[in-house]
Amino acid sequence: SQTIHQWPATLVQPVGSPLSLECTVEGTSNPNLYWYRQAAGRGLQLLFYSVGIGQISSEVPQNLSASRPQDRQFILSSKKLLLSDSGFYLCAWQSTGGSGYTFGSGTRLTVV
Amino acid sequence: DQQVKQNSPSLSVQEGRISILNCDYTNSMFDYFLWYKKYPAEGPTFLISISSIKDKNEDGRFTVFLNKSAKHLSLHIVPSQPGDSAVYFCAASALTTSYGKLTFGQGTILTVHP
Repeated sequence: SQTIHQWPATLVQPVGSPLSLECTVEGTSNPNLYWYRQAAGRGLQLLFYSVGIGQISSEVPQNLSASRPQDRQFILSSKKLLLSDSGFYLCAWQSTGGSGYTFGSGTRLTVV
Repeated sequence: DQQVKQNSPSLSVQEGRISILNCDYTNSMFDYFLWYKKYPAEGPTFLISISSIKDKNEDGRFTVFLNKSAKHLSLHIVPSQPGDSAVYFCAASALTTSYGKLTFGQGTILTVHP
């Protein structure tokens, strides 16, 4: 069966520090991968998506970047965190061809 | 541009009664709709979906209704239980024109009182 792993679960980082959040999927190949953010009291905002290795699309201009070095690995990064980067980050995968997502358990990022 | 809107930020219901969560969309290309449930500090979990060729889909206590002409869908939970208390997100995608990227609403916090 397919599983998605996301870590760490919580993270407190100072302003200006770098960020690396990792997401891996097991039990499937060539998934579509997504990074979402839920800011406090707000909905789910799509940050990045990827339909294949090395293929990254950005939905909104921001301080973050994403990479897909392997088929089932998706990484969210920042060189210098801002206070506004705080939020709940979610990784999701989707089988090629559409239908729904399966989400990871999320990472609570607090930038102080 | 908010293509999927959940205009009620919260809903409070008594246990055993019906919960009705609403969602409106603006993009006429959307042809697949889903509802997700989210508990605090967890990722959303899939609840139920409906394609645009249907107007109703039922799964146990959960029923989703789609009104294409009004660009409106709703989720009915009958009977509501305290464990249903969570944030509910509706989502939509255009499977025929994209690979299925989902657009989410802002979410509705459902509280079911015992």
